[in-house]
Amino acid sequence: KQEVTQIPAALSVPEGENLVLNCSFTDSAIYNLQWFRQDPGKGLTSLLLIQSSQREQTSGRLNASLDKSSGRSTLYIAASQPGDSATYLCAVIPMIKAAGNKLTFGGGTRVLVKP
Amino acid sequence: DTGVSQDPRHKITKRGQNVTFRCDPISEHNRLYWYRQTLGQGPEFLTYFQNEAQLEKSRLLSDRFSAERPKGSFSTLEIQRTEQGDSAMYLCASSLGSPYTDTQYFGPGTRLTVL
Repeated sequence: KQEVTQIPAALSVPEGENLVLNCSFTDSAIYNLQWFRQDPGKGLTSLLLIQSSQREQTSGRLNASLDKSSGRSTLYIAASQPGDSATYLCAVIPMIKAAGNKLTFGGGTRVLVKP
Repeated sequence: DTGVSQDPRHKITKRGQNVTFRCDPISEHNRLYWYRQTLGQGPEFLTYFQNEAQLEKSRLLSDRFSAERPKGSFSTLEIQRTEQGDSAMYLCASSLGSPYTDTQYFGPGTRLTVL
């Protein structure tokens, strides 16, 4: 059974510092990995999707890397801003298509960027 | 706006009552997913539809839960005889069903409180 872990559960940084968020998964047979942002009491916003054949994806200040062999992904947010304060979730889709495209989520990392 | 919408946004009910939630996916998306998220946790998969066919149900979905997607458009999730343990955020997502980059787009969620 796939398990996704995000450590730490919470992180506080001063504005301007780079953020490094970690995600690990136990089964490397994944189809792709997706990073989401969730604001308090709200739904999820997709940030980046990395296909299993890719090593990284970039969008603006965000960069996500994927190392399937070690079961890890890292989300980097450059020059953090108070508006980046939110919970960040990673999720994987299994390679076995019979399992559908259901996402298995980590518990999230709650980020606070202090002005 | 053509994003995923959910109704209601909040629902407070007494234990033992039945509740029904609605999800309207992005038009032309043929896949629709339901997830449940409790406080401080990542979302957990409940069920998903390919068009009108319900293809998978999680073991989390007890016989008190039923989901439908008539005509492959909107979906409803009904919980009968609600229990306090059903209190959670219920999230709906939709996707195109692309074989390679099947990004799931989430709605704002319905927060259920069972008293």
